Amino acid sequence: DAGVTQSPTHLIKTRGQQVTLRCSPKSGHDTVSWYQQALGQGPQFIFQYYEEEERQRGNFPDRFSGHQFPNYSSELNVNALLLGDSALYLCASSLSGGSGNTIYFGEGSWLTVV
Amino acid sequence: QQQVKQSPQSLIVQKGGISIINCAYENTAFDYFPWYQQFPGKGPALLIAIRPDVSEKKEGRFTISFNKSAKQFSLHIMDSQPGDSATYFCAASTPVGGYQKVTFGTGTKLQVIP
Repeated sequence: DAGVTQSPTHLIKTRGQQVTLRCSPKSGHDTVSWYQQALGQGPQFIFQYYEEEERQRGNFPDRFSGHQFPNYSSELNVNALLLGDSALYLCASSLSGGSGNTIYFGEGSWLTVV
Repeated sequence: QQQVKQSPQSLIVQKGGISIINCAYENTAFDYFPWYQQFPGKGPALLIAIRPDVSEKKEGRFTISFNKSAKQFSLHIMDSQPGDSATYFCAASTPVGGYQKVTFGTGTKLQVIP
């Protein structure tokens, strides 16, 4: 049973460019969340997708957008990249419902903006 | 009110010793408190979790102690081993509009020395 898979694992972009990160959730999971983890910090919630809709959003600008596909996989898009967007981007999947459903993280995508 | 405060930022423990990491929260709506372990270059992995109606939960060498009145919880690692060297994040979860919103602490970097 594959866990949460993310691609690419590492990438380097230039300021002002756009990036797309991809995530496949753990088998059976229907909810995908995206987190940004800066070096030495805890993961910061970006947004969550369920039934192809964004359900909740953290304190991130509109440059951050996403999508969920019918097979529950998801993409994170970041436009007009800034140096401060350099971070590890984590995808997490879970089953919908209340608290207590385990969240499983992928290995992350390391984004460096130069 | 959504913050989870974690301490210490870093911790050095001798092999065989007890590692203790503390977290505190304000939001009484939090109803699920997981701990994650993260090795360098990897995504966070669920270690152990507790609900506020339980004061203690033990799984192997890992124990969560929970003090609901003080709004504090802690992770104890007994007989710490060099393989436990990692960054540990506490987290708190609350149901928001039918989904689970997770807030992470800032992390504790644990180093277990032989």
